[in-house]
Formats: sequence, C-alpha cells, structure tokens
Amino acid sequence: DAKTTQPTSMDCAEGRAANLPCNHSTISGNEYVYWYRQIHSQGPQYIIHGLKNNETNEMASLIITEDRKSSTLILPHATLRDTAVYYCIVSLGVDDKIIFGKGTRLHILP
Amino acid sequence: GEEVAQTPKHLVRGEGQKAKLYCAPIKGHSYVFWYQQVLKNEFKFLISFQNENVFDETGMPKERFSAKCLPNSPCSLEIQATKLEDSAVYFCASSQSTAGGYNQPQHFGDGTRLSIL
Repeated sequence: DAKTTQPTSMDCAEGRAANLPCNHSTISGNEYVYWYRQIHSQGPQYIIHGLKNNETNEMASLIITEDRKSSTLILPHATLRDTAVYYCIVSLGVDDKIIFGKGTRLHILP
Repeated sequence: GEEVAQTPKHLVRGEGQKAKLYCAPIKGHSYVFWYQQVLKNEFKFLISFQNENVFDETGMPKERFSAKCLPNSPCSLEIQATKLEDSAVYFCASSQSTAGGYNQPQHFGDGTRLSIL
C-alpha cells in the first residue's frame, strides 16, 4: 500500500499558485519525498524530491514540515499545461520501487 | 539516449498469444523498473533490474510473466498466453546509480499500451 495520502482532486486558477498537500505520517528517517506527475496518458514525469529541507527547482518548490509527516508541492504560476495527476511518493531512493497511490487530479481553470 | 525508449507504443494480441515489450533505458543508468497501469491511476510495480541482474521481483506474477535485461540489448518484458486482464499500459523506468547519489529519481518512458482481444 502507498505510504502517502493526497486529496483526490483540486482546482486552481491559471496564473495562481497551486499548492498540493501530502501526508506521509509513517515516513522513516532515510526515506525521501518525491513528486511525479502524469499528464494525460504519458509516462510519469519527475518533478522534485527532498529529504528534510525545502527544495526548489525550475518546475516547483517542495515544502516539508519539520516533523517530516507532511509536505506541500507548490507550482508557483500554474498554466493549463500543468493539468495532470500528481503523485506524492516516499522512497528510499535510486534502487527502490515506487509504490504509487491514487494521486491528486489537478485541474487548472482558465 | 537521453530518454527511456519503449517499443512498441501499441500492441494488440488475441487472448492466448504471446506479447513482448521492449525498453531501452537512459545510457549510463544501472536500474530498470517495470510497472503496469491497469486503470488510469492504478500503478503496480512488477520487477526491477540492476544491470542484467534481477533486483526485486516481488511484483511479478508467478506465471506467464518474464523479463530480461541483457548487455547491449534493450530490456524486455514477455507475457505468455495473454489474458484479457493483461490489458494495460506497461511503463519502464530507469535510474542512475552514482556514488553518494542514492536519491536519484526514476525516469519513465511513455509506455506500451497492450490490448488483449
């Protein structure tokens, strides 16, 4: 079973920040938080990951709470192309299989 | 290459026939993973390889499914005597093993859509 829980769906207005929450209360000390998304029927696309500290890259920011039991993915200026299913995953890293949950279906509204 | 390449994009087989799917991982990546997506959101891990060695096969059905990653060849996933329930999109992913880079993400191909009629 997936070790994360996410809302089933969310809406966000185009141009606004999309904040996607994720709970991972049973995360272990050496597990990372990863975010992927699946646009339509394409393969999952890696977005960002982190261990303890907040992270930012050209796609998004990841905010991890101090107790590491939850995190938030932030898409700073959502566009219609960001409409996708977003998956929050905890994983040990490079050789660890991904256990996908059901993800959050994000709708960007024009 | 710079992307995980999966072939074919679509594969149609009659029930009971054999299906074989291929995956070329990103050059330099040591790990290869196979996943099955039956419904739009439901992914299932099948098997992973470290180079040509099976690393984790806990998700592989005991019967009919087999996989290989041989040197200098694309990896393959083969299903013998296909059943209607095997209809799904099969995704391959690869990841890089680097010294100290234990947190490298997996990079996915665009999948092979297998339809069993």
